[in-house]
Amino acid sequence: AQKITQTQPGMFVQEKEAVTLDCTYDTSDPSYGLFWYKQPSSGEMIFLIYQGSYDQQNATEGRYSLNFQKARKSANLVISASQLGDSAMYFCAMREGDNAGNMLTFGGGTRLMVKP
Amino acid sequence: KAGVTQTPRYLIKTRGQQVTLSCSPISGHRSVSWYQQTPGQGLQFLFEYFSETQRNKGNFPGRFSGRQFSNSRSEMNVSTLELGDSALYLCASSRSTSGTSDTQYFGPGTRLTVL
Repeated sequence: AQKITQTQPGMFVQEKEAVTLDCTYDTSDPSYGLFWYKQPSSGEMIFLIYQGSYDQQNATEGRYSLNFQKARKSANLVISASQLGDSAMYFCAMREGDNAGNMLTFGGGTRLMVKP
Repeated sequence: KAGVTQTPRYLIKTRGQQVTLSCSPISGHRSVSWYQQTPGQGLQFLFEYFSETQRNKGNFPGRFSGRQFSNSRSEMNVSTLELGDSALYLCASSRSTSGTSDTQYFGPGTRLTVL
């Protein structure tokens, strides 16, 4: 089964509008972290925001916020006031467990295109 | 603070050859992870190194190997290249703090083309 599912292969949004990118996850580990990355056409993955499974509040970082619904196992990224520079691939990723060791499992990504 | 650097940025090889990719982590970061990104399989974890030891390994054949040096710099090697190894290889570094919040920061990647 897919551990991270991003159901929107591509999305359009009008400049200055808000957009929500969906992410659902699957894990039986009570401790996990969810990350969102942006990948422009240049290829570099840029870290945007993190949400821990025990965090009581939704994470926010500038124009990025995370709509974390633990019971539904969803962690949707909300981008407010879209800008042309937001056009990129967006990946949701999960790290399971808080033992030593780094391994991120990624979703298939969503290509966001911002229209002027 | 300098970000993660990867060299070379682009590489063209032929089937059967081997290749070595290099990654320099952010200063102070001790964990280095490698990922392969292809259009068909997406982003897949290769392995992670911490304190010169492989700490985690993904589901890749033994042709893929890596190492980490005492200054945390890392190299990955692919032997007997196959056409399917054509991909963007991304390196990521982190402080390796405990808990799930240890954030990985990625380099620009090495784009490998196998002919």
